[in-house]
Amino acid sequence: DTGVSQDPRHKITKRGQNVTFRCDPISEHNRLYWYRQTLGQGPEFLTYFQNEAQLEKSRLLSDRFSAERPKGSFSTLEIQRTEQGDSAMYLCASSIVGQLGDTFGSGTRLTVV
Amino acid sequence: AQSVTQLGSHVSVSEGALVLLRCNYSSSVPPYLFWYVQYPNQGLQLLLKYTSAATLVKGINGFEAEFKKSETSFHLTKPSAHMSDAAEYFCAVTLSTGRRALTFGSGTRLQVQP
Repeated sequence: DTGVSQDPRHKITKRGQNVTFRCDPISEHNRLYWYRQTLGQGPEFLTYFQNEAQLEKSRLLSDRFSAERPKGSFSTLEIQRTEQGDSAMYLCASSIVGQLGDTFGSGTRLTVV
Repeated sequence: AQSVTQLGSHVSVSEGALVLLRCNYSSSVPPYLFWYVQYPNQGLQLLLKYTSAATLVKGINGFEAEFKKSETSFHLTKPSAHMSDAAEYFCAVTLSTGRRALTFGSGTRLQVQP
């Protein structure tokens, strides 16, 4: 059990560029969540997967955001045409169906300049 | 819909003093409640969780929380603060059915003075 891994840890990008983040959950975990955390706030739910199926997306997830989990293992979160308001910490968490309490990764901090 | 409210965005205590961080929840169905801790530039670590078994829940690092349905509260306590407890603490709720994604409060920053 190596924990939830997120890559990169930090990303600085220019407004209008596309960025992609990766999350590797704990290997046997079939649920995977993405959250966004802005400065001074708690994390907010973006989307979640059970295995490879994306089962829910928050209204926070505009059409510039897309997430995939192609083989039910790692997941990617892509933001197209980044805006300054996208600057935040993006957190990934995973768990097993029936388990309560998710394991979080260390996050990817995005800064849009 | 569910929500949590954390009273006090900043709490400062002296080393060795009691820690009390407040959390009130709102939920239309029986909730599951959690406390997470976040150190600077890190992810969240689970401290403890309430899952409808015992109302007094013990967690890691000497923390505990009591679920009080009549007060819709789930306050976090620790008898004696250590310098290493300085961090951001988040209360979270999820419902007993459905997607189980967490709804977080806005957090309480705990400072521990020497």
